[in-house]
Amino acid sequence: QVQLQESGPGLVKPSQTLSLTCTVSGGSISSGGYYWSWIRQHPGKGLEWIGYIYYSGSTYYNPSLKSRVTISVDTSKNQFSLKLSSVTAADTAVYYCARASGDLSKFDPWGQGTLVTVSS
Amino acid sequence: DIQMTQSPSSLSASVGDRVTITCQASQDISNYLNWYQQKPGKAPKLLIYDASNLETGVPSRFSGSGSGTDFTFTISSLQPEDIATYYCQQYDNLPRTFGQGTKVEIK
Repeated sequence: QVQLQESGPGLVKPSQTLSLTCTVSGGSISSGGYYWSWIRQHPGKGLEWIGYIYYSGSTYYNPSLKSRVTISVDTSKNQFSLKLSSVTAADTAVYYCARASGDLSKFDPWGQGTLVTVSS
Repeated sequence: DIQMTQSPSSLSASVGDRVTITCQASQDISNYLNWYQQKPGKAPKLLIYDASNLETGVPSRFSGSGSGTDFTFTISSLQPEDIATYYCQQYDNLPRTFGQGTKVEIK
């Protein structure tokens, strides 16, 4: 079955760019039929959707983050990535990657998540 | 954005009890609602989609209902392994939004 795994630095300095990668195994991103998503969870808080990407590169972003977010896909590596620029302490969160259904309705499965702390 | 409001924010119940969580949308979302379970330190897991459809492999003690703005998630007989936080999520509009979560504990 499809599995997702996030990777990237666990500590980022304020004003810098947060960069994470999600590696997909057990299925091919370029097969189509699914979108790929980033979702974050602030410590002890709820879930915030960041954005979607299709294998073709088509994206949808949360307007609240749109000016700082870039999601990209590398089908040759079966990976998709998140970049969040100009980070502050408010961006400290667990970041999850997830597969989204073709109609963009549901997220399943999810990666295990990775904690990113923004601190100098 | 569509606001999703869950209640209660936490609850404590005994094994075997019936547990009910509600989720209210700030506008009509038809049946465009999912429910997720998040166990401590783990990623969320999809339990119910389209408001009332049980995801494959999910025990039948879990159920969902509702449409429009008011939705209900029920555990018919609480089990120790159901200790988790449960979230609703709407997919009527972008951005996708989640409820704030309901933490379920054993009494």
